[in-house]
Amino acid sequence: DAGVIQSPRHEVTEMGQEVTLRCKPISGHNSLFWYRQTMMRGLELLIYFNNNVPIDDSGMPEDRFSAKMPNASFSTLKIQPSEPRDSAVYFCASSFLDSGYTFGSGTRLTVV
Amino acid sequence: AQKITQTQPGMFVQEKEAVTLDCTYDTSDPSYGLFWYKQPSSGEMIFLIYQGSYDQQNATEGRYSLNFQKARKSANLVISASQLGDSAMYFCAMREAYGGATNKLIFGTGTLLAVQP
Repeated sequence: DAGVIQSPRHEVTEMGQEVTLRCKPISGHNSLFWYRQTMMRGLELLIYFNNNVPIDDSGMPEDRFSAKMPNASFSTLKIQPSEPRDSAVYFCASSFLDSGYTFGSGTRLTVV
Repeated sequence: AQKITQTQPGMFVQEKEAVTLDCTYDTSDPSYGLFWYKQPSSGEMIFLIYQGSYDQQNATEGRYSLNFQKARKSANLVISASQLGDSAMYFCAMREAYGGATNKLIFGTGTLLAVQP
């Protein structure tokens, strides 16, 4: 299994631009999580899906952030418009029941 | 609400010695799971060990063991025979269980471990 695949690995964008982060979970996993990691706030859960349905998006910072999971093998996290304070490492993780949580390699986002 | 506390921002240990990383948690759910992850400088999140709230014995995985004290709500990670490659950030995390579906994993602030030769 290739694990959880995130793209791109690095993204540098200008303030105000739209950014889209992508995630392919492990085949067969039915839960998907988006986390953000910063020095100041640590690892924060942004949103998670069970069976492609958003369950808890209380961690999404503001309306500029949106996430979708159109099918079991793909999810996106979009920031529009991006701001410098959105600079962070964004992780996607997937899980199946109590099998554990597998993380992708993360996307390092820099907004200048 | 669930909460994870790691009170050690950083720790040093000599190579080949054992080290304990502290983690306390708070939850009102009788069914929960506790996890430890390692994050080396390369950035990936590596799963180390898991303890379920109903597990009778402490979890072990190779050189990693989890000292689970349910009454004290603590889940300390013990690394035996430390190696230079163990230098990393270590995160404690907790999941509350509901209805058989996977619930969110909440993380502590982490402990940065440095193994000295």
